[in-house]
Amino acid sequence: NAGVTQTPKFQVLKTGQSMTLQCAQDMNHEYMSWYRQDPGMGLRLIHYSVGAGITDQGEVPNGYNVSRSTTEDFPLRLLSAAPSQTSVYFCASLPLGDNVLTFGAGSRLTVL
Amino acid sequence: GESVGLHLPTLSVQEGDNSIINCAYSNSASDYFIWYKQESGKGPQFIIDIRSNMDKRQGQRVTVLLNKTVKHLSLQIAATQPGDSAVYFCAETLYNFNKFYFGSGTKLNVKP
Repeated sequence: NAGVTQTPKFQVLKTGQSMTLQCAQDMNHEYMSWYRQDPGMGLRLIHYSVGAGITDQGEVPNGYNVSRSTTEDFPLRLLSAAPSQTSVYFCASLPLGDNVLTFGAGSRLTVL
Repeated sequence: GESVGLHLPTLSVQEGDNSIINCAYSNSASDYFIWYKQESGKGPQFIIDIRSNMDKRQGQRVTVLLNKTVKHLSLQIAATQPGDSAVYFCAETLYNFNKFYFGSGTKLNVKP
């Protein structure tokens, strides 16, 4: 049981480039979510999903797209990266009916 | 532990002492609260939770206190150990609501 797996761990982009952060979980959790973590600001919810085919916005969704085609995977897409998106990104999941998130190890993104 | 700019508030304690980490939450309607521990380079991990119908909950070496009147949570760690050194976050939500809101965190530094 690998839990929540995020790739890549580190990425450097130039302004305007696009990329996808991958998140996969093998716990059959219906709920998956993406957070960004910035210094002194805690974790802020970007997007979340309660099941395949269902996504919704969190606190800071602008500049990010998500899709949920399978229960296991929840990729986060940056279509045109901006320096303000420099952050550490965490994917987290939980089974519906539970309230404790399981987090991945994080992906550190730098946009130059 | 309020956030000040980009700097995390830091609590330094001697090994063996008790630690108290505080958190002010924002939504008086929140009815479920969780404490997470984040070690350097890792994702947050669940420590303990509490529902709003309780004032206190104890785990192994940890106790969470909830004061709904002033919207305040605290995490008490007994006999603090070097392995407790980490950043601690509180999170609030409406039970089964699927959106979690995190505080900015407090860094605990345990001196040997």
